[in-house]
Amino acid sequence: QVQLQESGPGLVKPSETLSLTCTVSGDSITSISYYWGWIRQPPGKGLEWIGSIHYSGNTYFNPSLKSRVTIFVDTSKNQFSLKLSSVTAADTAVYYCARRTRDPFDYWGQGALVTVSS
Amino acid sequence: SYVLTQPPSVSVAPGQTAKITCGGNNIGSKSVHWYQRKPGQAPVLVIYYDSARPSGIPERFSGSNSGNTATLTLSRVEAGDEADYYCQVWDSANDHLFGGGTKLTVL
Repeated sequence: QVQLQESGPGLVKPSETLSLTCTVSGDSITSISYYWGWIRQPPGKGLEWIGSIHYSGNTYFNPSLKSRVTIFVDTSKNQFSLKLSSVTAADTAVYYCARRTRDPFDYWGQGALVTVSS
Repeated sequence: SYVLTQPPSVSVAPGQTAKITCGGNNIGSKSVHWYQRKPGQAPVLVIYYDSARPSGIPERFSGSNSGNTATLTLSRVEAGDEADYYCQVWDSANDHLFGGGTKLTVL
């Protein structure tokens, strides 16, 4: 059974960098068939895709966030990570990691709440 | 930019049929996926490529997509179906795009 688990600080100060890691179990992050992605949901709002990565290093991002987002893979730990720079209160959200097969996201983590506040 | 529109809420009595819509310009030309999210749980893919059901999803869940509306249909609704439901498409300009979500309430 594929499982994903987000981890990282739950509180980040404005203008700093948000960092989250997703640990994958039950599957190899080096599987050629999958991309690995980040999706978030601000309070009271809908889901917003942030970006995705293939273990080969190929990445693509939501145009609205692209300038602030970095996603990278650590194959030795079967993990992938998100960095979002220059955060503001608008970046407060539940952040999900997920596996993408072709088009849909077929497995998701439970989500991690990140609050941006001083 | 492309926009997916879902009703904020749908209510249905147990045993009845619930229909959750996802509107978008010519959405029938796109592939639509549906997710169920219960509080504190990971979202679950319930329908993909308009009408396909992943392994483990009951046959009570079905999907259709035509024209400007995609529809998720839950037949014989149970209390355990109460959740938020989201539609999603891939759009060339916005990549992966989600609808605003619909809260299904079982009366």
